[in-house]
Amino acid sequence: QVQLQESGPGLVKPSETLSLTCTVSGGSISSYYWSWIRQPPGKGLEWIGYIYYSGSTNYNPSLKSRVTISVDTSKNQFSLKLSSVTAADTAVYYCARGNRDWGQGTLVTVSS
Amino acid sequence: DIQMTQSPSSLSASVGDRVTITCQASQDISNYLNWYQQKPGKAPKLLIYDASNLETGVPSRFSGSGSGTDFTFTISSLQPEDIATYYCQQYDTEPTFGQGTKVEIK
Repeated sequence: QVQLQESGPGLVKPSETLSLTCTVSGGSISSYYWSWIRQPPGKGLEWIGYIYYSGSTNYNPSLKSRVTISVDTSKNQFSLKLSSVTAADTAVYYCARGNRDWGQGTLVTVSS
Repeated sequence: DIQMTQSPSSLSASVGDRVTITCQASQDISNYLNWYQQKPGKAPKLLIYDASNLETGVPSRFSGSGSGTDFTFTISSLQPEDIATYYCQQYDTEPTFGQGTKVEIK
């Protein structure tokens, strides 16, 4: 069964770039599409974007100007970069394969 | 983008009760709708896909129906382990989620 694990800094300063990586085990990243979703503390879910194994992407229009999702098939990983962060970007960030398989999530706090 | 209006935002019901949650899309999404269950501190779990298809391993007391703009999620007999927040999600276009429904035991 495929497993996903998010990794990256838990604290990011305002105006800097948030960078997270999702490592996929138990299956190849060279199929399906791979998503990032976030959830501010105590709030609902927000889809950030996804990438196909081929490299094509689709982003949330409200975040599109700040988001980059990339895939590294050699490492079986995909990554999220979110630029110019503010406190509003504080959230638990999840990576997922399609809609079915999700990582456990990682809390990223934006604060100086 | 497509807005998903989910109701109620919370509900309290007794064990064994039938529980119904609705989700309305701002435009026709055919059957491109998922339902998720999220327990505190955990990732969401897919329960229903394509509006009415039960995910493998999910108890049959969970069901979904609807198409177009109006959708319903039902727990036929509420169990203590069903305490969670439930979300709908459309994926006809860039995915969007409903606001969530918190289900509690009365």
